Amino acid sequence: DGGITQSPKYLFRKEGQNVTLSCEQNLNHDAMYWYRQDPGQGLRLIYYSQIVNDFQKGDIAEGYSVSREKKESFPLTVTSAQKNPTAFYLCASSRTSDYEQYFGPGTRLTVT
Amino acid sequence: GESVGLHLPTLSVQEGDNSIINCAYSNSASDYFIWYKQESGKGPQFIIDIRSNMDKRQGQRVTVLLNKTVKHLSLQIAATQPGDSAVYFCAENISGTASKLTFGTGTRLQVTL
Repeated sequence: DGGITQSPKYLFRKEGQNVTLSCEQNLNHDAMYWYRQDPGQGLRLIYYSQIVNDFQKGDIAEGYSVSREKKESFPLTVTSAQKNPTAFYLCASSRTSDYEQYFGPGTRLTVT
Repeated sequence: GESVGLHLPTLSVQEGDNSIINCAYSNSASDYFIWYKQESGKGPQFIIDIRSNMDKRQGQRVTVLLNKTVKHLSLQIAATQPGDSAVYFCAENISGTASKLTFGTGTRLQVTL
């Protein structure tokens, strides 16, 4: 099956710890994205990458970091500098020739 | 700043009726629009899309209408079913921003029996 996987589905961390969320796709898409979703709200773009070894900040990049060493993988690190990290995190991918983004199932991060 | 928004946060519709979900956009440079459906605790799923050179596009039980004059987008769902209950988002691509999408805040569709 082709698609996007995110792991884990639920993640719990203590305040002050960095945490890395996994995103893998086997759709052969060049572009990948990370979004944050808070309850009752829309999706806000954190980072995106249109090609391996290159990525750009989205609208809310502060306190987050990413890497894109492989086409299939785009991990997101939520650092201790992120003031309010508890949220639902969604990863997506797309062909660079197309605007439709395919989403993973999401990771719900809770920081206490 | 310019953004995509929605008129109604919650829409309640009786099973079998048609649903209309509205979306306003303010960026005249937007050239592509897409509707997603998101069920609770899941990632968004593609429903239908439309380019700015079109006024209407139909899919299975869904129709998207684009009115560029008033910068308005709507999603029509025919014969709404309980499985249509979800949050619906519109999103736009602003020309010149590569493949980025800007999402609205969403409308919750509740289907009553």
